[in-house]
Amino acid sequence: DTEVTQTPKHLVMGMTNKKSLKCEQHMGHRAMYWYKQKAKKPPELMFVYSYEKLSINESVPSRFSPECPNSSLLNLHLHALQPEDSALYLCASSQRGAGLNYGYTFGSGTRLTVV
Amino acid sequence: DQQVKQNSPSLSVQEGRISILNCDYTNSMFDYFLWYKKYPAEGPTFLISISSIKDKNEDGRFTVFLNKSAKHLSLHIVPSQPGDSAVYFCAALSSGGYQKVTFGIGTKLQVIP
Repeated sequence: DTEVTQTPKHLVMGMTNKKSLKCEQHMGHRAMYWYKQKAKKPPELMFVYSYEKLSINESVPSRFSPECPNSSLLNLHLHALQPEDSALYLCASSQRGAGLNYGYTFGSGTRLTVV
Repeated sequence: DQQVKQNSPSLSVQEGRISILNCDYTNSMFDYFLWYKKYPAEGPTFLISISSIKDKNEDGRFTVFLNKSAKHLSLHIVPSQPGDSAVYFCAALSSGGYQKVTFGIGTKLQVIP
């Protein structure tokens, strides 16, 4: 299995809703990431988990809450989002440590629309 | 402050010819570079990478060249095919950090049959 699987593929939510995005990989990668991509912009890093511990939070608002229940799963809990949070949310995973191939792999993303 | 720059937002190439996509970076700590291909509404797909200890890496029709002194890399696609039409992102990371990948803004390649 060489894939990162994200669900759902599309999500429409109201500003008062609570929802979660899910990400799963079975490549044995110990680093997992959430990126956000707006239209015609590059992906921007939100969070990094390394060995199931939060390593980097790129000053993301608290309405986004990441969770890493185990080495294969990564969730992003959403609450009280704003319309400007509408974007493609990408999950990625990679091997830890230096090397010539990090195997940095992205999922297909969740297209989120906040109404 | 864009640390990875792709100055050409779009490129059109005839099928069978060479496509050259360019990328410049400013952060001297970057020591690993990646190229991703992205179709609309999909996640980026890894294409090819190069470590800073090399100046060239080849994989089939795709070759990446790295000029460390100029902080410049390029992706060559030979021969170009219509299925190569997509947005190509140049990305870089520092192996000493937490593997945060910094992306360029992307170049949209159109291969004309």
